[in-house]
Amino acid sequence: EVYLAESGGGLVRPGGSQRLSCAASGFTFSRYSMYWVRQAPGKGLEWVASISGDSNFIHYADPLKGRFTISRDNAENSLYLQMNSLRVEDTAIYFCARDLYGEGILDSWGQGALVTVSS
Amino acid sequence: QSPLTQPPSVSGSPGQSITISCSGSSDDVGRYNYVSWFQQHPGTAPQLLIYDVNKRPSGVSDRFSGSKSGSLASLTISGLQAEDEADYYCNSYSTTYTWVFGGGTRLTVL
Repeated sequence: EVYLAESGGGLVRPGGSQRLSCAASGFTFSRYSMYWVRQAPGKGLEWVASISGDSNFIHYADPLKGRFTISRDNAENSLYLQMNSLRVEDTAIYFCARDLYGEGILDSWGQGALVTVSS
Repeated sequence: QSPLTQPPSVSGSPGQSITISCSGSSDDVGRYNYVSWFQQHPGTAPQLLIYDVNKRPSGVSDRFSGSKSGSLASLTISGLQAEDEADYYCNSYSTTYTWVFGGGTRLTVL
């Protein structure tokens, strides 16, 4: 069974940094593109970034370019999101998700990690 | 990367059919058949309902169906059940390797 588990959420001051992790199991991690999607409290879903299985293709939502970095370690079956220069508006639940066929078919999601940016 | 446009809310009675619209542009819904729909119950992660406009993952009820005409995608739920009450989001591939979600639609089963 596919299982994704995010960790690393918490309270961070504006301007600070946070690194999220997503541990994957139940499938051959390296064969799948992975995504980060976030959801601000009471708001809708927002695509954050995506990375191909071999890390050769990485894409970000335009507003987040330069502040967020997606990466993965296929040997550790782990996905990461490094977030720098955090702003209050980055407060959200951050989900990792698997892309089934490389077409944005997000068939499996983690339970999410809450990041709160506040002074 | 403007979000796709969905109605904030829809409602229906048990047994009825409802349709949720998702309006995009020629840069996303109108250009690509990479449209997905997700269901999200409060406090849980989204669940994939429809992908590639009208395909259902295994395990998803055939009461859920998707379609597209031009830049407008739609999700239809037939035979409404109480458990269908949730938030629904559309998603589409867009130009320059980006993805865009709709703002979400709250479905209330009366």
